[in-house]
Amino acid sequence: DSGVTQTPKHLITATGQRVTLRCSPRSGDLSVYWYQQSLDQGLQFLIQYYNGEERAKGNILERFSAQQFPDLHSELNLSSLELGDSALYFCASSVDTGGRTGELFFGEGSRLTVL
Amino acid sequence: EDQVTQSPEALRLQEGESSSLNCSYTVSGLRGLFWYRQDPGKGPEFLFTLYSAGEEKEKERLKATLTKKESFLHITAPKPEDSATYLCAVLGWGSYNTDKLIFGTGTRLQVFP
Repeated sequence: DSGVTQTPKHLITATGQRVTLRCSPRSGDLSVYWYQQSLDQGLQFLIQYYNGEERAKGNILERFSAQQFPDLHSELNLSSLELGDSALYFCASSVDTGGRTGELFFGEGSRLTVL
Repeated sequence: EDQVTQSPEALRLQEGESSSLNCSYTVSGLRGLFWYRQDPGKGPEFLFTLYSAGEEKEKERLKATLTKKESFLHITAPKPEDSATYLCAVLGWGSYNTDKLIFGTGTRLQVFP
């Protein structure tokens, strides 16, 4: 158990809809990362938050947005969903004491299926 | 642009048959290279960090090594429970607000009894 909690574990929805994925980081971790994993593209970095502020942005679509709340949990919002958005979405957290780190702790993921 | 390439894509081994996985990388200044293990339907699990060429790290049957262009994950006398996808990732010295951890697509290892 990594200590990172993601909900929901599975989500099935229709094209055009909007969903919200939730992540609680490990206790004490200030950084939260979102990754998308699909069969053909591997793990793609979406966005990182550090202590409530956006820190780094990857290949995140304009239809997607995220935020980190004062209690450090984070939400990833996916809107106007398309079939191609079907994937595993992972949240990860790290201690990140000022310097960057690649030692991330991943949750078990949220599997999104868009029909 | 930072890039990570892993080979082979898939590897089948007999229990006890040692082998190596390769991770070649291109990065503008390596801050660190990281190995992860991912079981089906689960999140990646951190294994090792390597910071500079010549560095080695070991954990049970796994040993990770690093050169200036690539890293190897050596698996000695593997067991079926070592079956998983092994991911390599690099972190470079990009600008503060844009550097990010770049993952390879992984090597899917299957170890048969």
